[in-house]
Amino acid sequence: SQKIEQNSEALNIQEGKTATLTCNYTNYSPAYLQWYRQDPGRGPVFLLLIRENEKEKRKERLKVTFDTTLKQSLFHITASQPADSATYLCAPPSGGSYIPTFGRGTSLIVHP
Amino acid sequence: DGGITQSPKYLFRKEGQNVTLSCEQNLNHDAMYWYRQDPGQGLRLIYYSQIVNDFQKGDIAEGYSVSREKKESFPLTVTSAQKNPTAFYLCASSIEGGPGNEQFFGPGTRLTVL
Repeated sequence: SQKIEQNSEALNIQEGKTATLTCNYTNYSPAYLQWYRQDPGRGPVFLLLIRENEKEKRKERLKVTFDTTLKQSLFHITASQPADSATYLCAPPSGGSYIPTFGRGTSLIVHP
Repeated sequence: DGGITQSPKYLFRKEGQNVTLSCEQNLNHDAMYWYRQDPGQGLRLIYYSQIVNDFQKGDIAEGYSVSREKKESFPLTVTSAQKNPTAFYLCASSIEGGPGNEQFFGPGTRLTVL
């Protein structure tokens, strides 16, 4: 069955550094993938969508890559700030459906 | 302000009781969704609706029921048949049910069974 894997351990980095979060998927080939941000006790917020024919997508300090050969998406935040601290969720569509299937998310903690 | 609202924010229920969670949106979105989130886990789809008066089961529909009588409303009932209902419930909407549409989430309802 299809599987989405994100690092379960929190990522701790210093302010100003680049954070890189990984999303790996297995047993299927999604045509696109979404990334969301979730703060504690709140609903996720959509950040970016990247399609299989796009190697890279940028939005301000955010950059997402999509490697269909490696079955992996990387999410980068450059010049990270403490306000970037949150959980980031990877969400490709479920196989046979358009509805996002959410990974467990990776918690990012940016230290001042 | 356009958005999606859920109420209440916190809900306590005794075992054996049914409880209904409210979800309203004024974004004029056709599609609405209910997810459940447990600590350390991803969101799991309970039910979704692509259009008024129509809805489909998600991955974990057992013990839950929904209705979609109005475009802006998609209430979720947690029945006594749900074995482990304590969780964080999230409602979402998208402009339509189709590939690539971003989902807009409400603030969530935290349900605790006493």
